[in-house]
Amino acid sequence: GENVEQHPSTLSVQEGDSAVIKCTYSDSASNYFPWYKQELGKRPQLIIDIRSNVGEKKDQRIAVTLNKTAKHFSLHITETQPEDSAVYFCAARETTDSWGKFQFGAGTQVVVTP
Amino acid sequence: SAVISQKPSRDICQRGTSLTIQCQVDSQVTMMFWYRQQPGQSLTLIATANQGSEATYESGFVIDKFPISRPNLTFSTLTVSNMSPEDSSIYLCSVGGTGGASVYGYTFGSGTRLTVV
Repeated sequence: GENVEQHPSTLSVQEGDSAVIKCTYSDSASNYFPWYKQELGKRPQLIIDIRSNVGEKKDQRIAVTLNKTAKHFSLHITETQPEDSAVYFCAARETTDSWGKFQFGAGTQVVVTP
Repeated sequence: SAVISQKPSRDICQRGTSLTIQCQVDSQVTMMFWYRQQPGQSLTLIATANQGSEATYESGFVIDKFPISRPNLTFSTLTVSNMSPEDSSIYLCSVGGTGGASVYGYTFGSGTRLTVV
């Protein structure tokens, strides 16, 4: 089955700097890669995703890149703000069908200090 | 995107008892999923709740411990049976393909924080 590794486990950045979180996956059949943000005590929220036929996707300060050959994908947050502090989870799924199950990474605790 | 109501939001239970968690969605969805999130940990899939058939359990989870019902396309329950302190965790339901940031992504319920004493 799919195995997703996520690094780093914690990331501290100064406000205004960039943050990068990297994930690798094992199953070459995986073709959909979402990122979730979970604030303390709250549910995970989908913030951005990418499909395997796309190399990069951007949404304001957030971007995701995918390298299918190397089987890794990354989340990039630019101009970080204190409200970006949260745990971020990457995930991989074998199918873009909405009923495919996800394998989640271990999570990255991001702390943005003013 | 779909609105998911999950309850209870939290509970403290005695060991040996059972707790049933409910998940109600405001639209019909094909698949519903139940996850467990232990403190400071990632999300682990317990089972996929199928309407009209038995749930599909992941390795390490069994029906006797986590019975699931899915009576229709908008509702599911997860029961944590014969609880022990090791069952203390957050339990989340989720549904897929309901829009929001992406039509492919999951929407999660607000979670049930369970403490077993």
